[in-house]
Amino acid sequence: DSGVTQTPKHLITATGQRVTLRCSPRSGDLSVYWYQQSLDQGLQFLIQYYNGEERAKGNILERFSAQQFPDLHSELNLSSLELGDSALYFCASSERLAGVADTQYFGPGTRLTVL
Amino acid sequence: ILNVEQSPQSLHVQEGDSTNFTCSFPSSNFYALHWYRWETAKSPEALFVMTLNGDEKKKGRISATLNTKEGYSYLYIKGSQPEDSATYLCATNYGGATNKLIFGTGTLLAVQP
Repeated sequence: DSGVTQTPKHLITATGQRVTLRCSPRSGDLSVYWYQQSLDQGLQFLIQYYNGEERAKGNILERFSAQQFPDLHSELNLSSLELGDSALYFCASSERLAGVADTQYFGPGTRLTVL
Repeated sequence: ILNVEQSPQSLHVQEGDSTNFTCSFPSSNFYALHWYRWETAKSPEALFVMTLNGDEKKKGRISATLNTKEGYSYLYIKGSQPEDSATYLCATNYGGATNKLIFGTGTLLAVQP
């Protein structure tokens, strides 16, 4: 058990809908990362938050947004969903923002299926 | 675009065989190399983080080496067991203002009893 929790585990929804994925980092970790795993692709970095502030963005679609709350949990919001958004979404956490070789600890992921 | 490549894509071995995989990455501005073990329906589990050229890390029967000058890392598993069956992912971190990771697509290892 990595100490990172994600809910829900599975989500099935229809095109055009909006969903929210939730992540609680390990105790003491200030950085939260979101990654997307699509078919035939490696884990792709989406966005990083550190202590409540957005600090780095990857190839995250404009339809996607995220935030980190004062208690450090994070939510990833996906809207106007398309079939191609079906993927496994991982949250990871680490102690620090940058500049060190911190281990990132991964949650169990949320599998999103868009029908 | 920073590409992290892993080979082979998949590997089938017999119990007791030793095996190794490769991770290749751009060596310029390199900061750290991470190895993860990912079993189906579980979280990717951190194995090693390495930063220095020549680094070697070991955890039980699994070990890893790092060559930052030529941009590659090897992961070795000695005496593979069925419970070693998993996808092994490597990822790089190029430092700067974020610790975001760039992942390879992984090597799927299947160990037959």
